[in-house]
Amino acid sequence: GAGVSQSPRYKVAKRGQDVALRCDPISGHVSLFWYQQALGQGPEFLTYFQNEAQLDKSGLPSDRFFAERPEGSVSTLKIQRTQQEDSAVYLCASSRTPIYEQYFGPGTRLTVT
Amino acid sequence: RKEVEQDPGPFNVPEGATVAFNCTYSNSASQSFFWYRQDCRKEPKLLMSVYSSGNEDGRFTAQLNRASQYISLLIRDSKLSDSATYLCVVGNNNAGNMLTFGGGTRLMVKP
Repeated sequence: GAGVSQSPRYKVAKRGQDVALRCDPISGHVSLFWYQQALGQGPEFLTYFQNEAQLDKSGLPSDRFFAERPEGSVSTLKIQRTQQEDSAVYLCASSRTPIYEQYFGPGTRLTVT
Repeated sequence: RKEVEQDPGPFNVPEGATVAFNCTYSNSASQSFFWYRQDCRKEPKLLMSVYSSGNEDGRFTAQLNRASQYISLLIRDSKLSDSATYLCVVGNNNAGNMLTFGGGTRLMVKP
């Protein structure tokens, strides 16, 4: 079956541009997570949705980061006024319920120039 | 101090060797424990969950010591295909099973 998909796979943005990253979770998965992975580091939690409810956004690094999942399936992570320090791989993961295994998408590699 | 700490390596070992990775975590409220594998420029994939009683999956053995807040992974009879980064991960079920990752330990298995 289809896994988690993310688009675009690669994004180059000029500093100050806004970007939107999309995540299509596995169908029927209730939980959706966003993580940020800097080069040479492990992924770091950004935010968590259960269906359409954003239950935890404690990992979002600034108010330039915004995530939504309006219909409880597809999610979008938006970064406004991108900065060079936003360059990273953004990973989306979904799970059937909160306590089950998280399946990761291939990530979006964002480069801010 | 990071919540989950690992030796970044790299560990360079010959095929057939046994190699062990260790990890410590600081949040005593952590409730679930995992090892993930991440290949270069790929997404993390679950290798195995870790239980207090210890568990084994083929050539891989994982151990958890809750008192010491310490997790280990042992790989026996290393294969070239085991070359990857191994991520120690803890989950907090009170936060929707948010995963906290260590920085990863890089393993390179050489012929």
